Amino acid sequence: DIQMTQSPSSLSASVGDRVTITCRASQNINNYVNWYQHKPGKAPKLLIYGASTLESGVPSRFSGRGSETDFTLTISGLQPEDFATYYCQQSYSTSLTFGGGTKVEIK
Amino acid sequence: QVQLVQSGAEVKKPGSSVKVSCKASGDTFNTHSISWVRQAPGQGLEWLGRIIPKVDVEKPAQKFQGRVTFTADKSTSTAYLELSSLRSEDTAIYYCARGREVWDAFDVWGQGTVITVSS
Repeated sequence: DIQMTQSPSSLSASVGDRVTITCRASQNINNYVNWYQHKPGKAPKLLIYGASTLESGVPSRFSGRGSETDFTLTISGLQPEDFATYYCQQSYSTSLTFGGGTKVEIK
Repeated sequence: QVQLVQSGAEVKKPGSSVKVSCKASGDTFNTHSISWVRQAPGQGLEWLGRIIPKVDVEKPAQKFQGRVTFTADKSTSTAYLELSSLRSEDTAIYYCARGREVWDAFDVWGQGTVITVSS
């Protein structure tokens, strides 16, 4: 299976900060990466697909970049509702895998 | 608005099996795959596998091969996950999710089903 390694596993940030989360794949996956936001007690929410395409209805402060093995999710101007756990997911292989998650907490 | 509605919480004994349902609205079964994802307490998201209802093809994650079965009833637009030989580590919230073609991005999720495995 393709391993997806996310970093950091957690971070503390303030409202208005710019936050970047990294995801590294164990092999070249082109741009087959999707990003999700997950809050306790709720289902995960799709933010970005195909590494950089913003899902409909998702605020433009979220952006994704990367290709091959290295990918980033950036939140430009953190809002109170953005404190959550974020996951990357690869869909290059028919065996899909998630990263370990990054918990974004309030500083 | 496409929705996935899952069955309710269950408590199961170790060694038993559980079957979770996921009813889809709209044309989901003709156009998308249905994946199953779980989150154990304090852990991250884990993909169990998926089914493509239109062609009845299933793909379990290697970790769950032999222990998991995915089925889909096209007449009721309901997908099922059956997990056998349950152990305490299977205690988790189980989600079904609709997989978008090409990118396999999960754009619609069920509300989650809590499965507790306890003697």
